[in-house]
Parts: sequence; structure tokens; C-alpha cells
Amino acid sequence: GENVEQHPSTLSVQEGDSAVIKCTYSDSASNYFPWYKQELGKGPQLIIDIRSNVGEKKDQRIAVTLNKTAKHFSLHITETQPEDSAVYFCAASIGGQGAQKLVFGQGTRLTINP
Amino acid sequence: EADIYQTPRYLVIGTGKKITLECSQTMGHDKMYWYQQDPGMELHLIHYSYGVNSTEKGDLSSESTVSRIRTEHFPLTLESARPSHTSQYLCASGAVGTDTQYFGPGTRLTVL
Repeated sequence: GENVEQHPSTLSVQEGDSAVIKCTYSDSASNYFPWYKQELGKGPQLIIDIRSNVGEKKDQRIAVTLNKTAKHFSLHITETQPEDSAVYFCAASIGGQGAQKLVFGQGTRLTINP
Repeated sequence: EADIYQTPRYLVIGTGKKITLECSQTMGHDKMYWYQQDPGMELHLIHYSYGVNSTEKGDLSSESTVSRIRTEHFPLTLESARPSHTSQYLCASGAVGTDTQYFGPGTRLTVL
């Protein structure tokens, strides 16, 4: 079955610097890769996603890149701000288009130091 | 964005009690999910449903049960709570034909 590995488990960066979180997946049939942000006491919130027919997607300070050949994808946050501090999860779909399930990475606790 | 609700948000209960965690969504999503989130943060799928009267067990074995009598409602029940059930429980939903899942705020369960 699908296995998603996420690194690093913790990341601390200075405010204004960039943060990068990386994930690898094992199932070449996976075609949807969302990223979620979970703040303390809340459920995960979708922040950006990418499909396998696209190599990169941007939304303001957030970008995701996908390398299907190497089976890895990354989240890039530029100009980090204190409110970016949270736990971030990557995920990969299983079950084809309109997949029924997602497999999640282990999570990265991001801390932005003022 | 989906509106998905979970109650209670926090629950502290004694061993042996029967509990039901509620999850409801107002978007008409056919697909609904329950995840257990351990202290190490990782999310584990314990139950899911494709629609009314459809329920499946997830990847992580769980002593809980679920039902799906109405599209908008997907309650999770523990017949006899134990300290090992202490965890965060997250409910999610999604529309058929799409991949995205939207999460509720979670229920933090503590069993003494």
C-alpha cells in the first residue's frame, strides 16, 4: 500500500526566511497531493494541493512542487510570518481519480522565530 | 470550503463508559471519514463511508463502530471506553468524484 514519508519532523526558521517541507510517496498511481495546516486546538485545514499533471502550483507565499519521476513533493513557504507557526501535513491519494482515501505524512512542526 | 462540525470538542470520561462522538456536515458530501490522531501528530484512518448505509474499516484497527443513517451525520461510538482510547478524533468529509477532504475541529477524548 501507499506509504508517505515527511521530513523534517520539526523546523525552526527566522521570521522572513523561507521554509521547505519535503514528502516522498511509494505508490506511482497516486495523483493528488494536498497539504494541510493544523493550528493548536483545531482540525487540519487545506492550504494548497497539486495534481500529478502539474509540476508546480503557487498561492501567494505558498508553493508546492511535484516530481513524479522521483515520487516526491515539497511545500515552500516564503517570507514566513509568526502566524505560519503550526503543524503541516502532506498527503497522497490512493484509489485513482476521485480517490476514496488519503495517506498522510507524519507531520512537521514549524516554528517561526520573531 | 465545507462546514463540518464535531461535538463534543473535549470529553473526559471514566473507564467502561459508552460514548458517542458526533460529526455532521452541511455540504451534502457523500464521503465521510474518521481519523485518530496520536500525540506524535500522525493521522490514522479508522473508519470511512461512501454514503448512506455504507461503512468501512480504515487502516488502523479500532474498537469503535460507526453508522451512516443520514448523509450529513457520521457518529462514532465506543461501547466501553478504556485509557488506550485517549486521543484526538478528527472527522472529515468530501464530495464524490473529488479528492479533497475537509476536516472538522476534532474531539479530544480522555479516558481515566
